[in-house]
Amino acid sequence: EIMVTQSPDSLAVSLGERATINCKSSQTVLYSSNNKSCLAWYQMKPGQPPKVLIYWASTRHSGVPDRFSGSESGTDFTLTISSLQAEDVAVYYCQQYYNTPQTFGQGTKVEIK
Amino acid sequence: EVQLVESGGGLVRPGGSLKLSCAGSGFTFSGSAIHWVRQASGKGLEWIGRIRSKPNNHATSYAESLKGRFSISRDDSRNTAYLQMNSLKIEDTAVYYCGRNVTDWGQGTLVTVSS
Repeated sequence: EIMVTQSPDSLAVSLGERATINCKSSQTVLYSSNNKSCLAWYQMKPGQPPKVLIYWASTRHSGVPDRFSGSESGTDFTLTISSLQAEDVAVYYCQQYYNTPQTFGQGTKVEIK
Repeated sequence: EVQLVESGGGLVRPGGSLKLSCAGSGFTFSGSAIHWVRQASGKGLEWIGRIRSKPNNHATSYAESLKGRFSISRDDSRNTAYLQMNSLKIEDTAVYYCGRNVTDWGQGTLVTVSS
């Protein structure tokens, strides 16, 4: 099973400032067929289903504001919110879908400072 | 428009069983793998398992901790996937979601296991 370790558990950022969330996989999640990493980022708000923001580590899903971006370096992955907005208050999860069992990070709670 | 709709949640006693449904529309259901995940109140997301399409022999895979109690099946003629949950425990109380790929998820159905 691929372990996915997410950090920090929570962070408080001022409106308009940058928020950065990290995720590390215990082994490669690079899909050889397209040379892309099988890593997704989700936003979860109370009473709502998972909303995917990023997949293939850096592909922004349709309709997702461009202040959300994903990057990678080997088995280290980062979700960046470039300018935090009030509506971005949520819990964020990374997920590896390279193989099964698929695994999620522990979640990062983002709040306004 | 892709839609996934879960149903079948409710209150069940510990040790009981429940079968959830996931109805899909707006895409070729028979060609899609369907995943189930859950989230207990105040907890993180947990992947439960998935069932692949017919060309992939409807292969199933499960989280190790749930293997033996949970099983996934599908009826492509009804565009529906199922999650059979047996020997339910209090800690199985959660909102259950079905999904397709990583991009499409239903609204979820609440399962409460309580005496």
